[in-house]
Amino acid sequence: SQQGEEDPQALSIQEGENATMNCSYKTSINNLQWYRQNSGRGLVHLILIRSNEREKHSGRLRVTLDTSKKSSSLLITASRAADTASYFCATDAGVAARFGAGTRLTVKP
Amino acid sequence: NAGVTQTPKFRVLKTGQSMTLLCAQDMNHEYMYWYRQDPGMGLRLIHYSVGEGTTAKGEVPDGYNVSRLKKQNFLLGLESAAPSQTSVYFCASSYSTGTGNTIYFGEGSWLTVV
Repeated sequence: SQQGEEDPQALSIQEGENATMNCSYKTSINNLQWYRQNSGRGLVHLILIRSNEREKHSGRLRVTLDTSKKSSSLLITASRAADTASYFCATDAGVAARFGAGTRLTVKP
Repeated sequence: NAGVTQTPKFRVLKTGQSMTLLCAQDMNHEYMYWYRQDPGMGLRLIHYSVGEGTTAKGEVPDGYNVSRLKKQNFLLGLESAAPSQTSVYFCASSYSTGTGNTIYFGEGSWLTVV
């Protein structure tokens, strides 16, 4: 079973707007990561947040983690057409990471 | 560095045929994984390895076998392909376990079983 579940499944916005996607998980974690997947390509690591962190920034990306609610959010500010991709959260599940079904983000120029 | 390389990229199999997907990484990672990705299902872990000579089952191991004879290579085998194994397969590797380290992915192998 998948550990992390992203929401919404799909998101469509205009260039310049902010995009927020959420990840909920079921069991306690040590770390949570966000990945991006362009169509037809492999996943690429975006950012890691540890369980003792509440917020982390990387360029236009902002990730928050609320361990009490077992949820995380990824905010992409000032979106660009090139941000069009699927975004996945990955959570600890023993040895290997488990991924949700992803949020498909479309940024319209 | 090439990172994680998968071959072949595309393959069409007939039901009952066998094949092997090859994965190679040049980052000296201990951990390697095989995932499959299906529409609406996200990535599901098939098998993984925590080091040379070791393998373990993931979420959906049935119908697949793996081998890790060399640290840099992780092979995924389908002994008797079934249409339900039509999917995109991703190999990945990491320095350590879980999500404490970046997981590096290959570009995927598209497999169709007819």
